[in-house]
Amino acid sequence: ETGVTQTPRHLVMGMTNKKSLKCEQHLGHNAMYWYKQSAKKPLELMFVYSLEERVENNSVPSRFSPECPNSSHLFLHLHTLQPEDSALYLCASSPLRSNNSPLHFGNGTRLTVT
Amino acid sequence: GENVEQHPSTLSVQEGDSAVIKCTYSDSASNYFPWYKQELGKGPQLIIDIRSNVGEKKDQRIAVTLNKTAKHFSLHITETQPEDSAVYFCAASNDYKLSFGAGTTVTVRA
Repeated sequence: ETGVTQTPRHLVMGMTNKKSLKCEQHLGHNAMYWYKQSAKKPLELMFVYSLEERVENNSVPSRFSPECPNSSHLFLHLHTLQPEDSALYLCASSPLRSNNSPLHFGNGTRLTVT
Repeated sequence: GENVEQHPSTLSVQEGDSAVIKCTYSDSASNYFPWYKQELGKGPQLIIDIRSNVGEKKDQRIAVTLNKTAKHFSLHITETQPEDSAVYFCAASNDYKLSFGAGTTVTVRA
């Protein structure tokens, strides 16, 4: 049972749609992350939030828009996506915003853009 | 920036045999090396980690070794079991960035 819950598990959307991914952590952690996982490639860090403040944005296209309303919830708003954005999107949390702090991942949202 | 290379990309072992996955990193400032296991349909889960002031760490059937001079680290799984079948990711971290390898798909044959 993961302490990080992601919904939905699967999402199919057209290029003109707007949708949102949701992540909730029940671990009392202070940092939350969005990662993109594509087949046979390393995990790509997209965004980092620490105490609800965005502290890192790794040159992610503006069609991805994160939101962190409180330390337990994280959203990724999607609009006008491209087929190459199809991937597994993973949310993670950690006790501290530190690159040496273990990450706790959710089970991901499998996104397909048609 | 940090570059983490992971080999092999796939590994098939007979149940009961050992499995070894190797990673190299480029940034000599890296000081934290976690390993994650990802089962089908699930997110990655931390299984073991090692810091740069330690050369080896063990946890039951899993061990990790670190050679700072050569900038490589390895995951060793002994007495493999079917539930060890998964994708394994290494990672290396300095104070600024955590970089992942591309993953190794391990299949344990019964």
